[in-house]
Amino acid sequence: QSALTQPASVSGSPGQSITISCTGTSSDIGGYMYVSWYQQHPGKAPKLMIFEVDNRPSGVSNRFSGSRSGNTASLTISDLQAEDEADYYCSSFRSGDTVIFGGGTTLTVL
Amino acid sequence: EVQLVQSGGGLVQPGGSLRLSCAASGFMLTTDWMAWVRQAPGKGLEWVANINKDGSRKYYVDSVKGRFTISKDNAKNVLYLQMNSLRAEDTALYYCGRYLGAFSLDYWGQGTLVSVSS
Repeated sequence: QSALTQPASVSGSPGQSITISCTGTSSDIGGYMYVSWYQQHPGKAPKLMIFEVDNRPSGVSNRFSGSRSGNTASLTISDLQAEDEADYYCSSFRSGDTVIFGGGTTLTVL
Repeated sequence: EVQLVQSGGGLVQPGGSLRLSCAASGFMLTTDWMAWVRQAPGKGLEWVANINKDGSRKYYVDSVKGRFTISKDNAKNVLYLQMNSLRAEDTALYYCGRYLGAFSLDYWGQGTLVSVSS
């Protein structure tokens, strides 16, 4: 059960946009609309930012958006702010009623 | 208000056992799927186990199959993770979580640390 593939790190300046990719297979990302994204600040529990590929939970800024193309999902953060600096994880439902996470991406706001 | 309050972590020797608890409030465990997710020190998130609404279906990551058991007491509204034959590689912060209907975890516990070491 290999993890979904994410870049280890991305960076951007305040006000810019960044995109984090998450690559899986047809058994997970490519096969289901159940892709999620989580934000985790140091020492904190993860926070759900995106569910079902491109939906935001109540209270999450509309600067966060999600998309999917084939076996790759993406998280875009626009108008980057200092508080966005955190680790980001994708996850997907996988056949067999299991879940797989990505390896995580550290976002640095320059 | 939905809350998940965890307990039961600690230091255990290799081969030992621990039971983690996750007390839910603000909703009933009979209405949602639940999960355990872990995070080894300095590492990423790893899904560990799922349980469906009525507790009849359980799923595990390959590395814990046959050693860990997810269960719940609906009367007490508590989720459990029984961990047996613990190994050093099971050392992690363990989180319980509630699934939104889309296999997304919308509420998480505070995490409980499990350390396996002699």
